[in-house]
Amino acid sequence: DIQMTQSPSSLSASVGDRVTITCRASQSIGRFLNWYQQKLGKAPKLLIYSASTLQSGVPSRFSGSGSGTDFTLTISSLQPEDFATYYCQQSHSTPTWTFGQGTKVEVK
Amino acid sequence: QVQLVQSGAEVKKPGASVKVSCKASGYIFRSYGLSWVRQAPGQGLEWMGWISVYNGDTYYAQKLQGRVTMTTDTSTSTAYMELRSLRSDDTALYYCARGGTTAFDFWGQGTLVTVSS
Repeated sequence: DIQMTQSPSSLSASVGDRVTITCRASQSIGRFLNWYQQKLGKAPKLLIYSASTLQSGVPSRFSGSGSGTDFTLTISSLQPEDFATYYCQQSHSTPTWTFGQGTKVEVK
Repeated sequence: QVQLVQSGAEVKKPGASVKVSCKASGYIFRSYGLSWVRQAPGQGLEWMGWISVYNGDTYYAQKLQGRVTMTTDTSTSTAYMELRSLRSDDTALYYCARGGTTAFDFWGQGTLVTVSS
């Protein structure tokens, strides 16, 4: 099974900060990597798929990069509505998927 | 617009079974697979399994093999997830999610299943 490891598990940031979250796969997954945002009490929301493609309607301050085993989600200028938990997900081994453990972005 | 509407919260005793439904609308039901994902209180997302609405093929997470069954009813555009032999650590919010070939682009609102004696 492919394991996904995110870092950090949590981070504190201020509005306007540049935020970077990393995700590492236990084996090469090409660019089969997705990112989700989950706000408290809500279902996850797809932000980015195939490592760097922005889902329709997602603000351009979100970006994704990487390939192989190492991936990054970047928020260029953190907004108040971006405080949430972020999950990566590998889709290399479909139809089975694995999530990372999550990264909580909190107010500094 | 695409919507996935799930059934309401359930409280079950250990050893019982639960069946959660997920009614789809706003798209051609047979054109996409459906995954089920659960989230224990305060924990991360756990993929449970996937069903091809087109032909009924299923793939389940290894840890749930033998306890979970996923089905669909194309006449009502509804997917079902049944989990048997419930334990306290099955207490979680259960989500259905539309899965194309890669990512899960639409999610249900979640169904809380509480397992308690």
